[in-house]
Amino acid sequence: RKEVEQDPGPFNVPEGATVAFNCTYSNSASQSFFWYRQDCRKEPKLLMSVYSSGNEDGRFTAQLNRASQYISLLIRDSKLSDSATYLCVVNRPPGRRALTFGSGTRLQVQP
Amino acid sequence: DTAVSQTPKYLVTQMGNDKSIKCEQNLGHDTMYWYKQDSKKFLKIMFSYNNKELIINETVPNRFSPKSPDKAHLNLHINSLELGDSAVYFCASSRIQENTGELFFGEGSRLTVL
Repeated sequence: RKEVEQDPGPFNVPEGATVAFNCTYSNSASQSFFWYRQDCRKEPKLLMSVYSSGNEDGRFTAQLNRASQYISLLIRDSKLSDSATYLCVVNRPPGRRALTFGSGTRLQVQP
Repeated sequence: DTAVSQTPKYLVTQMGNDKSIKCEQNLGHDTMYWYKQDSKKFLKIMFSYNNKELIINETVPNRFSPKSPDKAHLNLHINSLELGDSAVYFCASSRIQENTGELFFGEGSRLTVL
């Protein structure tokens, strides 16, 4: 089983749509969770951390379910500029330094 | 100013050659990393250095040798290149004390082995 699994997509959605991505992780001892964004042929960049209680940053909402080892990202009111690959990232214990990246879910927002 | 810079951005070479990729960060971070992103887009950690000390060494062939002359630099040397080494190599850095999980990546070095 992969350490971090994501649906590769692509998700093709119209502007203004709401879209959700899911991710599962295999190591129950993981403690840190993140979503990164990677544009085509660019480097990954941190989008947001994921906290146990769930958190929101503008149009983006992240949630964590430790019992199911499941992380989600919800994007509301999709913009063309949201088109990118979204990477689910989890720390690999022990410690928090080593981050394991999922292979990403590609989102294409269409006009 | 570029925070994490790596050179070269593109590298095309023949099998069996030796090549190096250089990385420098001006963020004052303690920890630097090399990640490899293959054609299937998996981003895998290869090495990590904290203040010039190797702290993570994944199951990478010993043809790959990182070198950290100081905490702002982490270079990657690859001997006897193979076709399977073709990938994008990303350098990254982080401030370990913050523990925010934010890695700052360079723009990547796209290596093509012919």
